[in-house]
Amino acid sequence: DGGITQSPKYLFRKEGQNVTLSCEQNLNHDAMYWYRQDPGQGLRLIYYSQIVNDFQKGDIAEGYSVSREKKESFPLTVTSAQKNPTAFYLCASSIDSGSSNIQYFGAGTRLSVL
Amino acid sequence: GQQLNQSPQSMFIQEGEDVSMNCTSSSIFNTWLWYKQDPGEGPVLLIALYKAGELTSNGRLTAQFGITRKDSFLNISASIPSDVGIYFCAGQLRSGAGSYQLTFGKGTKLSVIP
Repeated sequence: DGGITQSPKYLFRKEGQNVTLSCEQNLNHDAMYWYRQDPGQGLRLIYYSQIVNDFQKGDIAEGYSVSREKKESFPLTVTSAQKNPTAFYLCASSIDSGSSNIQYFGAGTRLSVL
Repeated sequence: GQQLNQSPQSMFIQEGEDVSMNCTSSSIFNTWLWYKQDPGEGPVLLIALYKAGELTSNGRLTAQFGITRKDSFLNISASIPSDVGIYFCAGQLRSGAGSYQLTFGKGTKLSVIP
């Protein structure tokens, strides 16, 4: 099946620990994105990548890091510098059609702090 | 940055009733998107709108791209229990650098009473 796979579904982080969230897509999409969702809030952009080996900060990049070594993969690391990491994290991908760029989402990873 | 005002924030309706929600912005967008999110899942695209004035239907859903390009609405007719979820609007604008910026509303939480 084609789609966007996020893993794990649930993740727990201890104080001072870095954790990495996985996002894989087999849609041959060029661009990939990471969003954070808090209760009652819209989605806020953390990082995005338009092509392999290139990525840009979004609105709330502090305390997060990413890499884009392969087209299919865009892992997000939540570092110990992120003091309030508890949230629902969503990965998305898109392809440029020339007139628009529709983003499709994975099922999300819920991160909690122990 | 751009902001979207989505209303209402939440709705409780009887099964069979029609539903209307809308988004307004202080600036224009090239594309309007409507997504639905079920609890613990990622948003799923419902309707994409590409031109000012465009009216598009998807089953019981109808959405319109406002003439001013600063607003959009989504209507759901004859609601059923599986319509429960959070509905997000999103406005998209292509930047000068060629990337697409997607701005999300905070969502409308829909509850359907059988």
